Amino acid sequence: NAGVTQTPKFRILKIGQSMTLQCAQDMNHNYMYWYRQDPGMGLKLIYYSVGAGITDKGEVPNGYNVSRSTTEDFPLRLELAAPSQTSVYFCASSYPMNSPLHFGNGTRLTVT
Amino acid sequence: AQSVTQPDIHITVSEGASLELRCNYSYGATPYLFWYVQSPGQGLQLLLKYFSGDTLVQGIKGFEAEFKRSQSSFNLRKPSVHWSDAAEYFCAVGPSQGGSEKLVFGKGTKLTVNP
Repeated sequence: NAGVTQTPKFRILKIGQSMTLQCAQDMNHNYMYWYRQDPGMGLKLIYYSVGAGITDKGEVPNGYNVSRSTTEDFPLRLELAAPSQTSVYFCASSYPMNSPLHFGNGTRLTVT
Repeated sequence: AQSVTQPDIHITVSEGASLELRCNYSYGATPYLFWYVQSPGQGLQLLLKYFSGDTLVQGIKGFEAEFKRSQSSFNLRKPSVHWSDAAEYFCAVGPSQGGSEKLVFGKGTKLTVNP
């Protein structure tokens, strides 16, 4: 049982480049989330999805896009990378209604 | 708006000593409360949760937390800390009505364990 799998683990981008962070879960969870974690700031929700075909903005969505074509996958897209997007990104999944979150191991992204 | 405060950014304890990590929340109704732990290079893992009922909640790895409504607190405790408990700990609060997308995390407390 793999749980939540994120790829890549590390990435360095130049300003203006684009990339997609991949996230897959095998627990048949309807809810999926993308968070970013900055030192001393806790976790901030970027986007979330309550099921295939449904996505919504979280607290800090600017500069990011998501899609949810299947229950299993929830990729996060950065179109024009900026230094402010340097962060550690975590994908998570859960059952509905305040069920505990299951996290992936994160992607550490540096934009220079 | 709901919020979570973890007053201690960094705590150092000796192995075998007791531990208490503080968490205060601001929320208008009865909240759902969680403690997560993050080991270096890993994602967050659920330690325990409080939804209702008994205000003393037991979790994994020998941790417990007590919900005190009058103090708006949900402090995490462990009687005897092990070196493997060194990690960062996050308190989170969510509404009793609503989904996990409304979960708010504290800024975390980093725990160092001295031998």
